Amino acid sequence: AQSVTQPDIHITVSEGASLELRCNYSYGATPYLFWYVQSPGQGLQLLLKYFSGDTLVQGIKGFEAEFKRSQSSFNLRKPSVHWSDAAEYFCAYFNTGNQFYFGTGTSLTVIP
Amino acid sequence: DGGITQSPKYLFRKEGQNVTLSCEQNLNHDAMYWYRQDPGQGLRLIYYSHIVNDFQKGDIAEGYSVSREKKESFPLTVTSAQKNPTAFYLCASRFVQGIGSTEAFFGQGTRLTVV
Repeated sequence: AQSVTQPDIHITVSEGASLELRCNYSYGATPYLFWYVQSPGQGLQLLLKYFSGDTLVQGIKGFEAEFKRSQSSFNLRKPSVHWSDAAEYFCAYFNTGNQFYFGTGTSLTVIP
Repeated sequence: DGGITQSPKYLFRKEGQNVTLSCEQNLNHDAMYWYRQDPGQGLRLIYYSHIVNDFQKGDIAEGYSVSREKKESFPLTVTSAQKNPTAFYLCASRFVQGIGSTEAFFGQGTRLTVV
């Protein structure tokens, strides 16, 4: 079955520290992958997307993600976290049926 | 400004009542989606539509209904058959230009509470 998994429900990092949020996918063909961020009580904002080509993609707010086919992963990274990055992060993929499917999300807490 | 507008932001429903959540977009997007969000469960697809007058069930369509009479509008009705409707509902839209050509854009959500 097609799916995307975010193994970490909650992560806490110190401000200024590096961040990596994990995402694993299960999909037979080349997936179309996305990372979204959600502030409390708000909609989702796209951080970055991968369709093909360069496996390291840059996004907004200093985020990047690397597509690794051998590991079926699309992890989100940021070199230095800011307090404003505290939010819920969702990995998503897009299938051949034109449906978007989302992981269960990772909640990020940033401590001073 | 182009975007997706969901209304109302907060909605209270008495048990046994039907309620309709509005979703309007002026982005000229072809496809529209409804998701339900519960704590710890991510976003689950309720219904989606790729063209006017056509829509398909997602993973949790039971107790919900939709219509797509206009390209810009995709209202969701939560019926009395939905036994646990309290949740945060998100609407999204995107262009359909081939597989995975563009991302989905989201509204700000409607929080529905059964009282």
